[in-house]
Amino acid sequence: DAKTTQPNSMESNEEEPVHLPCNHSTISGTDYIHWYRQLPSQGPEYVIHGLTSNVNNRMASLAIAEDRKSSTLILHRATLRDAAVYYCILRRRGDDKIIFGKGTRLHILP
Amino acid sequence: DAGVIQSPRHEVTEMGQEVTLRCKPISGHNSLFWYRQTMMRGLELLIYFNNNVPIDDSGMPEDRFSAKMPNASFSTLKIQPSEPRDSAVYFCASSKAAAGANQPQHFGDGTRLSIL
Repeated sequence: DAKTTQPNSMESNEEEPVHLPCNHSTISGTDYIHWYRQLPSQGPEYVIHGLTSNVNNRMASLAIAEDRKSSTLILHRATLRDAAVYYCILRRRGDDKIIFGKGTRLHILP
Repeated sequence: DAGVIQSPRHEVTEMGQEVTLRCKPISGHNSLFWYRQTMMRGLELLIYFNNNVPIDDSGMPEDRFSAKMPNASFSTLKIQPSEPRDSAVYFCASSKAAAGANQPQHFGDGTRLSIL
């Protein structure tokens, strides 16, 4: 299975944009890039996913490199409620399974 | 809309006892997943079902663990006998449609299990 690499932790100031990087150099053509986050004492929560093109939704934006070997989750204006562990995951088309890595722990400074 | 519902939220029991965790998936979802989360091992997929049928149980640690899905609206994860190393947070998740990697999973709030 293709793996992802994320920084262990990041810090950002409240009300500023946050760019969370993810490397996936062994991604295959049928792998979707998914992001989940886990707030303290809660289950993981779906954030966004994409295949080749950049994606936007109400929670975040996903920027995918042209060669698809990396991607960046963008929180446009971080709030204290965005403090969580963010997981970058590859899911092969047709595969139900999600394999979680260690993720990036995002700290938001007031 | 109701999300994935897990019960109990917390369970404390003594080693050797049987433990049953319960999950009600979101109505209309036909895939159900059981995960375990510990500090040491992170989030691990234990087993998942499509249309009530177990598809992949390769993550189930050992024979002490079993999972059932008797109908589309209910699943159980049972540990018998329980051991202290089973202490963890157990999450249930559900999603639509078996095919396609673009279906998000929706997670419950988890059951925090402590085996003394």
